[in-house]
Amino acid sequence: KNQVEQSPQSLIILEGKNCTLQCNYTVSPFSNLRWYKQDTGRGPVSLTIMTFSENTKSNGRYTATLDADTKQSSLHITASQLSDSASYICVVSEGRGSTLGRLYFGRGTQLTVWP
Amino acid sequence: DAGVIQSPRHEVTEMGQEVTLRCKPISGHNSLFWYRQTMMRGLELLIYFNNNVPIDDSGMPEDRFSAKMPNASFSTLKIQPSEPRDSAVYFCASSPRDSGLGQPQHFGDGTRLSIL
Repeated sequence: KNQVEQSPQSLIILEGKNCTLQCNYTVSPFSNLRWYKQDTGRGPVSLTIMTFSENTKSNGRYTATLDADTKQSSLHITASQLSDSASYICVVSEGRGSTLGRLYFGRGTQLTVWP
Repeated sequence: DAGVIQSPRHEVTEMGQEVTLRCKPISGHNSLFWYRQTMMRGLELLIYFNNNVPIDDSGMPEDRFSAKMPNASFSTLKIQPSEPRDSAVYFCASSPRDSGLGQPQHFGDGTRLSIL
């Protein structure tokens, strides 16, 4: 059964600290993995997209890693800021050639950054 | 540039009523997606269009839900008749081309729907 599991479910850190969010998936065949940031009351915003050939991708203070062999991804946030408080959602796309395969969504990690 | 525009932002109505949610994708984007988000189920893809044609509607929960895209700049999601369990935030997203090719999806800010 194709699934995406994220951990932890919620996380509280102090401003300036680093943190790492995890995403494990069982989706096969695999096309790509996306990390989204969703602020309260807003739509998700894309942070990174990685295909199976990409191990690391950065977007400012956000760095995503992908291990396609173990089917694990992580999102590392460096020097956290109050504005990083949000839900972070991992989405895995099933591979289906050039067309969009089914999308599998994690339940998200709710990150709270305290001053 | 304007992002994805959804209307209304909030909708409260009684069960049994027809509900129509609207979406204007980013100009030039040719893929459009409708999502539903609830606390219990998280984010779910309902249907997506490519070049105004519905490609996959397997996520549409039942016949009470229908979606149309009459042209490249407008789409609707309709629920008739509405039920309390339809209460959720409905998002519309668009992307420059088929997102299976790795393009990011740009989301609107959603419509918060409450069915009493």
